[in-house]
Amino acid sequence: AAGVIQSPRHLIKEKRETATLKCYPIPRHDTVYWYQQGPGQDPQFLISFYEKMQSDKGSIPDRFSAQQFSDYHSELNMSSLELGDSALYFCASSFLSLENTQYFGPGTRLTVL
Amino acid sequence: AQSVTQPDIHITVSEGASLELRCNYSYGATPYLFWYVQSPGQGLQLLLKYFSGDTLVQGIKGFEAEFKRSQSSFNLRKPSVHWSDAAEYFCAVRTSGTYKYIFGTGTRLKVLA
Repeated sequence: AAGVIQSPRHLIKEKRETATLKCYPIPRHDTVYWYQQGPGQDPQFLISFYEKMQSDKGSIPDRFSAQQFSDYHSELNMSSLELGDSALYFCASSFLSLENTQYFGPGTRLTVL
Repeated sequence: AQSVTQPDIHITVSEGASLELRCNYSYGATPYLFWYVQSPGQGLQLLLKYFSGDTLVQGIKGFEAEFKRSQSSFNLRKPSVHWSDAAEYFCAVRTSGTYKYIFGTGTRLKVLA
């Protein structure tokens, strides 16, 4: 079965640079979520989109922005990168319903030097 | 605010032994409950979920979990652990009115041969 695709899988950036992470949801899923998992931490919710509209917002820094496109893929844009942004970034997708089970991608590991 | 507690940060069991990972949540109404497993450097794989109905739910890889409303718990169990079960296990909660997950801090399982 098709899963959530994230690219790139690994990314190395310098401080103050910009990064763009991409997420391709499972076909027919209409909702995308972004989570950040720091080293040894639990995943923290950043933001979600349903039908290209922001549906929920968590602890996402102002330096980050995201959007969902007409083909339902999503991009997380991160500017003015800081060392503390080094983390594993997960994308999850779901079909919006009462159950709304989220299926996670493999993650993008971002390292900021 | 809703929260999820996984009291055990690390658990070590021998292969073939039984396993129980604890999860407690704080929420007034019945939440939607999930267990995910994360192998090193990998994404989050859904093991099982509870929404309503039978309080004992079966998942993949021989795992099961029991929802106990009186104890606000959703403990994960497996009767006989395999070496391949070594991983980090996250309990997650989704509350009505929102679709984001709140994760516990995770339990790292080590399996001795």
